[in-house]
Amino acid sequence: KQEVTQIPAALSVPEGENLVLNCSFTDSAIYNLQWFRQDPGKGLTSLLLIQSSQREQTSGRLNASLDKSSGRSTLYIAASQPGDSATYLCAVPKAAGNKLTFGGGTRVLVKP
Amino acid sequence: DAGITQSPRYKITETGRQVTLMCHQTWSHSYMFWYRQDLGHGLRLIYYSAAADITDKGEVPDGYVVSRSKTENFPLTLESATRSQTSVYFCASRGTGGGTEAFFGQGTRLTVV
Repeated sequence: KQEVTQIPAALSVPEGENLVLNCSFTDSAIYNLQWFRQDPGKGLTSLLLIQSSQREQTSGRLNASLDKSSGRSTLYIAASQPGDSATYLCAVPKAAGNKLTFGGGTRVLVKP
Repeated sequence: DAGITQSPRYKITETGRQVTLMCHQTWSHSYMFWYRQDLGHGLRLIYYSAAADITDKGEVPDGYVVSRSKTENFPLTLESATRSQTSVYFCASRGTGGGTEAFFGQGTRLTVV
């Protein structure tokens, strides 16, 4: 059974500092890995998707890496802003139509 | 509007009543999912569907029923609501292919009193 872990559960940084969010998974046979953002009381917004054959994916200030062999992904957010405050979740499916297994999320607070 | 929409956004119902949460997507995605999100439990899969008329149970299906007569719709019914089903419910959809993202609706906050 796939287990996805995100440590730390919460993180507080001053504005301008780079954010490093970690995601680990126990079964390396993943189809892809997706990072989401969730604001309080809102739905999940997709940030980045890394296919199993990729090592890295970038979108603006966001960069996600994937190391399947070690069961890890890292989301980097450069030059954090207060608007980056949210909960960040990672999720992996085992196959095309399989359910996404989610980590517990990392709650981020960026202080002005 | 393009995307995935859920209705209602908020619902209060009484114990024992039947409630249906609606989910509609405009992309013709094959796969659709229902999750519930609770403090301390994270996101848990209730049911999913690979195509019209194909559904399967997830981790926490008891007390829920789904149907998918059309590709774009995936309603979730609570047959006899219980207080333990108070939660935020999210619908999601995804197409085929490794590069296809999953997209989530805004959620339905359900309170069973």
